[in-house]
Amino acid sequence: QSVLTQPPSVSAAPGQKVTISCSGSSSNIGDNYVSWYQQLPGTAPKLLIYENNKRPSGIPVRFSGSKSGTSATLGITGLQTGDEADYYCGTWDSSLSAGVFGGGTKLTVL
Amino acid sequence: EVQLVESGGGLVQPGGSLRLSCAASGFTFSSYWMHWVRQAPGKGLVWVSGIFSDESTTTYADSVKGRFTISRDNAKNRLYLQMNSLRAEDTAVYYCARVVFGGSGFDSWGQGTLVTVSS
Repeated sequence: QSVLTQPPSVSAAPGQKVTISCSGSSSNIGDNYVSWYQQLPGTAPKLLIYENNKRPSGIPVRFSGSKSGTSATLGITGLQTGDEADYYCGTWDSSLSAGVFGGGTKLTVL
Repeated sequence: EVQLVESGGGLVQPGGSLRLSCAASGFTFSSYWMHWVRQAPGKGLVWVSGIFSDESTTTYADSVKGRFTISRDNAKNRLYLQMNSLRAEDTAVYYCARVVFGGSGFDSWGQGTLVTVSS
């Protein structure tokens, strides 16, 4: 059971937009920055979004992040088949003094 | 180019010990907060432990507290994870990860090293 809650799966057609939600509490998302990671099969995770809505160098503008209260959202526009991957949200939990992740969301581009 | 390369994984019996190492290059290792994150086969990411840049503070997940010890050698640009009293549920790929400088989020990851705890 993960501290952060994500939908197990989402799907959309190529070229469309999809959003992935991440729900937490006042001690984690409500109190700290959120980051998002993409994990392609058999590879290490890759940072997509940090500090709620910032993109590292090299990450396309198709990827966006937002946060409101104790929830965060990852948005992906112009879906491509290469976007098929597992996506994870992560943050710090001030009460646990520990890092926490969501359970992951599998994106299928139909 | 930033590189993190883990080593030290393998097969170990329950109750045994293992020491993981993460060799860092391409950046000023001593300036960054570093962490270990693991992923059991077919499962999601789980944070394990973190250590401040100057080794002043270490943190652990409850599931490994008292059994695992994180450390670093800034002179050698290496991060370590000493794992004792290993259990079957510790079986996972272990990644070392670097925190965004002065910020939040893991911006660089190693390729991971597999630890299998089984008799």
